[in-house]
Amino acid sequence: DAKTTQPTSMDCAEGRAANLPCNHSTISGNEYVYWYRQIHSQGPQYIIHGLKNNETNEMASLIITEDRKSSTLILPHATLRDTAVYYCIVRVERNTPLVFGKGTRLSVIA
Amino acid sequence: DAGVIQSPRHEVTEMGQEVTLRCKPISGHNSLFWYRQTMMRGLELLIYFNNNVPIDDSGMPEDRFSAKMPNASFSTLKIQPSEPRDSAVYFCASSFETGGYGYTFGSGTRLTVV
Repeated sequence: DAKTTQPTSMDCAEGRAANLPCNHSTISGNEYVYWYRQIHSQGPQYIIHGLKNNETNEMASLIITEDRKSSTLILPHATLRDTAVYYCIVRVERNTPLVFGKGTRLSVIA
Repeated sequence: DAGVIQSPRHEVTEMGQEVTLRCKPISGHNSLFWYRQTMMRGLELLIYFNNNVPIDDSGMPEDRFSAKMPNASFSTLKIQPSEPRDSAVYFCASSFETGGYGYTFGSGTRLTVV
């Protein structure tokens, strides 16, 4: 599975959009980009995933660059409850299990 | 559905004792995963099962660790004998298949070995 690079930490003002970047320059054609988050003391929670096209659901939007070497997770209106560690994971969808890196610690500030 | 259920939530034990962690996956899910989380090493995959069969246990740190899945609704992770360095939060997760979409994690078991 391709390696991902994420900033260690980020801050975001409450009510503003949180844009979390992820670099995956070695991604291959059949690998998906997944995002999970882990709120303090809880298990990780699935957010969204995509292959090539941008994706949106009730939680977030995922923007993948045309060359697929990087992506951005967007939380459109961050709340204090979005404070968590966000993990970007690249892997083939059906084959191997999720392997978590260190993620980005997002702090939403009132 | 109550989600993935893990027990106990907290476990404090003395070094050398046997520890058994339990997990009930979501009904209908056919893959089950055990992870361990520490500050130093983050979230590590220990072992996973597909249709109750262990597929990859390369993440199990030592022979002191063992995992079983006797049926589709129950799995255990056992540490015998336990050591202080085993102190961590242990998570169980389940999904419909090995793919990343749809992993549901339990609340974890916080293990402290003194």
